[in-house]
Amino acid sequence: NAGVMQNPRHLVRRRGQEARLRCSPMKGHSHVYWYRQLPEEGLKFMVYLQKENIIDESGMPKERFSAEFPKEGPSILRIQQVVRGDSAAYFCASSPEGPQSLNEQFFGPGTRLTVL
Amino acid sequence: AQSVTQLGSHVSVSEGALVLLRCNYSSSVPPYLFWYVQYPNQGLQLLLKYTSAATLVKGINGFEAEFKKSETSFHLTKPSAHMSDAAEYFCAVGKPGTASKLTFGTGTRLQVTL
Repeated sequence: NAGVMQNPRHLVRRRGQEARLRCSPMKGHSHVYWYRQLPEEGLKFMVYLQKENIIDESGMPKERFSAEFPKEGPSILRIQQVVRGDSAAYFCASSPEGPQSLNEQFFGPGTRLTVL
Repeated sequence: AQSVTQLGSHVSVSEGALVLLRCNYSSSVPPYLFWYVQYPNQGLQLLLKYTSAATLVKGINGFEAEFKKSETSFHLTKPSAHMSDAAEYFCAVGKPGTASKLTFGTGTRLQVTL
């Protein structure tokens, strides 16, 4: 059973370009979470999605950032017109259905975004 | 609202010594609590979790943590540190009974010296 997959692992963009980060949850998991980790800081929640639905986007910046989790395919975190302050590690996590999930989240290896 | 405070951004111990990493939480509902470990340039790996069953929780790699409601604490311990324990450790709090976001502390970097 493969773990949470993220790609690319490293992404370099110039200011003003778009960044697309992909996350494939563990098999059987329908909940996906995105977190951002700035250098020397902890993880900050960004958005929580279920298939085709955004459940909680309270941590998403109001502009330039969007996320989706289509019926088929991976979850995508999209950052438009990137700025240097977007440089960070972006982690995806997934969790299974049901109360037995106990809110345990399984994390991917992260995508490290560098904005030049 | 939920929050986590990790006291000590850096902790250094000698190999073989006791490891104690502190975590205090704030939650308006009975919390679920987690400790994750992060090795350099890697993702987070779950060490252990408290989900309202036993207050003393045993995890992987010899780590354990005790939930103390009266102190709102969930400190992580290991009796004898190993060089391979050197990593960043994050405490996190979540809400029980439903899938939802985790709120993380700022992390504690553990250094293990010879």
